[in-house]
Amino acid sequence: AQKVTQAQTEISVVEKEDVTLDCVYETRDTTYYLFWYKQPPSGELVFLIRRNSFDEQNEISGRYSWNFQKSTSSFNFTITASQVVDSAVYFCALSTLKISNQFYFGTGTSLTVIP
Amino acid sequence: DTGVSQNPRHKITKRGQNVTFRCDPISEHNRLYWYRQTLGQGPEFLTYFQNEAQLEKSRLLSDRFSAERPKGSFSTLEIQRTEQGDSAMYLCASSLVLSRQEKLFFGSGTQLSVL
Repeated sequence: AQKVTQAQTEISVVEKEDVTLDCVYETRDTTYYLFWYKQPPSGELVFLIRRNSFDEQNEISGRYSWNFQKSTSSFNFTITASQVVDSAVYFCALSTLKISNQFYFGTGTSLTVIP
Repeated sequence: DTGVSQNPRHKITKRGQNVTFRCDPISEHNRLYWYRQTLGQGPEFLTYFQNEAQLEKSRLLSDRFSAERPKGSFSTLEIQRTEQGDSAMYLCASSLVLSRQEKLFFGSGTQLSVL
């Protein structure tokens, strides 16, 4: 079965602090894709990153970085020097394509950055 | 192109009524997905289309739900005989599948409230 677990329901940090959002996934497929989406209060899910299962290289994009570790089935997301605009719900998602073309989403982590 | 468009943004209906939502995907995107999201949860897959063909439906999609994508462009999701449990945000997403480089672009959703 395909499953994404985001154990952190809510996180609050003070502006400029670093914060890491955890994501653990389950799949038996050897080829899969992992995603992070941001859902601000406006409601629209915004794509942040996509990573395929063959590429374990960590990625950095500005203040965002992602740590993909197949050994622990984790795809964690770190925001450095957080800002108030980072306040949103963040979803991790898994797509395997082999069994189904659906994307499996975690329950999300609500991040509040306090000024 | 302004992205995925969904109408209406909000819909309030009485139990037992039928409702229909519309989604206009990003032009040239060949896949269109419907998801449902309830408070505090991640999006749950309902169904998806590749062009005009409906290729997959979730078990969540009871026989009261029907989706269409005539001519492979916009899509409609109809719920017949609505129940209070249908209250949720209905999200549409589209994607262009090229060499498995798929990522979903979401609309802002239609918030359904069944009284």
